[in-house]
Amino acid sequence: SAVISQKPSRDICQRGTSLTIQCQVDSQVTMMFWYRQQPGQSLTLIATANQGSEATYESGFVIDKFPISRPNLTFSTLTVSNMSPEDSSIYLCSVQTAAKTEAFFGQGTRLTVV
Amino acid sequence: AQSVSQHNHHVILSEAASLELGCNYSYGGTVNLFWYVQYPGQHLQLLLKYFSGDPLVKGIKGFEAEFIKSKFSFNLRKPSVQWSDTAEYFCAVAYGDMRFGAGTRLTVKP
Repeated sequence: SAVISQKPSRDICQRGTSLTIQCQVDSQVTMMFWYRQQPGQSLTLIATANQGSEATYESGFVIDKFPISRPNLTFSTLTVSNMSPEDSSIYLCSVQTAAKTEAFFGQGTRLTVV
Repeated sequence: AQSVSQHNHHVILSEAASLELGCNYSYGGTVNLFWYVQYPGQHLQLLLKYFSGDPLVKGIKGFEAEFIKSKFSFNLRKPSVQWSDTAEYFCAVAYGDMRFGAGTRLTVKP
């Protein structure tokens, strides 16, 4: 199994500012992902965080808005840039086993933009 | 691209009723399938998963799911629900990355 520490757990931010969310895993993992869960909705994949190269973004998400870093196999950050109230959501870090037989999730970061 | 469909948006049952939540996926290759539960105010928890072997898988809290390859389905079942099963249920499919269905909100009335 993998234990994921995500911080901050929650934040209230002013519109126009940026927030960086950190994700630390207790073991080296190949596959790391960032999801968004908007109020009352399911999880939507934002991007795959690739170690040593640029993240792979899903349709509707761009690097300028959600820059991602992954300097090593145990750590990643997601920045929500130039925030607006529509960015209010829970952001989750996730890792998968190499065989894709299990996924583990962080506790999430509850972001409120005012 | 793979996608996941959950048929029911909101299901309301009385305690002791039987439950079946539908899940279909669109990817034709080999996939791994999951059901997650999210209790109010809490994070996701894995209920059960399937990646090979017996297509009828048993999970925690009395839940089970059946993988029917010909129907691209992975329906979740429980013979007798409890009030404490009130939660949001998500079906997920993994091939490369993990994609989630829209979720089904289950409300169990005491």
